[in-house]
Amino acid sequence: GAVVSQHPSRVICKSGTSVKIECRSLDFQATTMFWYRQFPKQSLMLMATSNEGSKATYEQGVEKDKFLINHASLTLSTLTVTSAHPEDSSFYICSATGPGQGETQYFGPGTRLLVL
Amino acid sequence: AQKVTQAQTEISVVEKEDVTLDCVYETRDTTYYLFWYKQPPSGELVFLIRRNSFDEQNEISGRYSWNFQKSTSSFNFTITASQVVDSAVYFCAPPADRGSTLGRLYFGRGTQLTVWP
Repeated sequence: GAVVSQHPSRVICKSGTSVKIECRSLDFQATTMFWYRQFPKQSLMLMATSNEGSKATYEQGVEKDKFLINHASLTLSTLTVTSAHPEDSSFYICSATGPGQGETQYFGPGTRLLVL
Repeated sequence: AQKVTQAQTEISVVEKEDVTLDCVYETRDTTYYLFWYKQPPSGELVFLIRRNSFDEQNEISGRYSWNFQKSTSSFNFTITASQVVDSAVYFCAPPADRGSTLGRLYFGRGTQLTVWP
């Protein structure tokens, strides 16, 4: 149990375009989802926390207009990187938790974004 | 303030050796959960263990064991008879303080474990 999927697994886009990444909990209700960013050989940096039906809470320094997060259902959260630039290239990972998961975050497989 | 210290940035061992990954954390909470995750080269984080701060008993799961010492804020992880497939980055993750969103975790830089055949 506790499976989280993420789509797409990798995406290449041109500078200036927007990219949407989906995170789905497949077998549990994800009342809370987290979005992280990870640079090569670095730790995970929490970008934002989203609770189902509420606005996301962004970490300090993360531009909310740049990284749009929607968590409209108990199984789906989306991260949209708007007007992507090469510096947005990174590994984006989502995680999810909810009732019955004991605060354990279950992670998706991640999305590698390359902006040309 | 730093929330977690994994002093070993990189560890290399030869297959079948035992290896211990250290974790020292900071928290203002009196009750909390602690977690260990594994990140293999594929990138996906794999949940290994959740430990409640109430429970200081050591835990063993197959070749994995954990030693939790609340008095010293340490939560060390030992792999017995390591295997090449254990090669990964391992993260110890304490929680954010209760004043913030429930379930937020802090990830340090992790420990890169390489197991050579």
